[in-house]
Amino acid sequence: DSGVTQTPKHLITATGQRVTLRCSPRSGDLSVYWYQQSLDQGLQFLIQYYNGEERAKGNILERFSAQQFPDLHSELNLSSLELGDSALYFCASSARPGYGYTFGSGTRLTVV
Amino acid sequence: QQQVKQSPQSLIVQKGGISIINCAYENTAFDYFPWYQQFPGKGPALLIAIRPDVSEKKEGRFTISFNKSAKQFSLHIMDSQPGDSATYFCAALVYGGSQGNLIFGKGTKLSVKP
Repeated sequence: DSGVTQTPKHLITATGQRVTLRCSPRSGDLSVYWYQQSLDQGLQFLIQYYNGEERAKGNILERFSAQQFPDLHSELNLSSLELGDSALYFCASSARPGYGYTFGSGTRLTVV
Repeated sequence: QQQVKQSPQSLIVQKGGISIINCAYENTAFDYFPWYQQFPGKGPALLIAIRPDVSEKKEGRFTISFNKSAKQFSLHIMDSQPGDSATYFCAALVYGGSQGNLIFGKGTKLSVKP
């Protein structure tokens, strides 16, 4: 157990729907990062939060949004889902930006 | 352009052999280069990392070689074992920077044959 908790582990939903993925960082970590992993694109950085504030944005679609709450957990919202959004979504956390990443086990999203 | 290029995409090695995975980067501001190991159904886990003030770092059977002038680094797995079969990712970031998001290579799927 890495200490980073992601729920749910698996999610199957239909095109056009909206889902929310949840991440609880390792105790004491203030930074949360979201990554998308698909077969042909590897690990793509989506977005980073530090202590509730957005710090960096990567290749995140406008249909996707995220936030980090006062208790430091984070949620990634994916809307108007398309087949191509099917992927593994990973959350990672670190104590400070760039210091010691720890990844969760991921959420496997399947859009049908 | 913040890119990390990794090769090969896949690698088959006999048990006891040496596995070598290479990465190249473009952004000279990068100063932290970790390697991650990922098993199917699991998240990436930190394997070994290097800062550019040293040219080599060894931890057990795993060694990172770093060439700052060529902007290249590589992972060597000595005495490769079937249990090493996994996907390996190199990555880079600006250590302690205000953002700190890792930039990953596309991964190498390693298969170690018994």
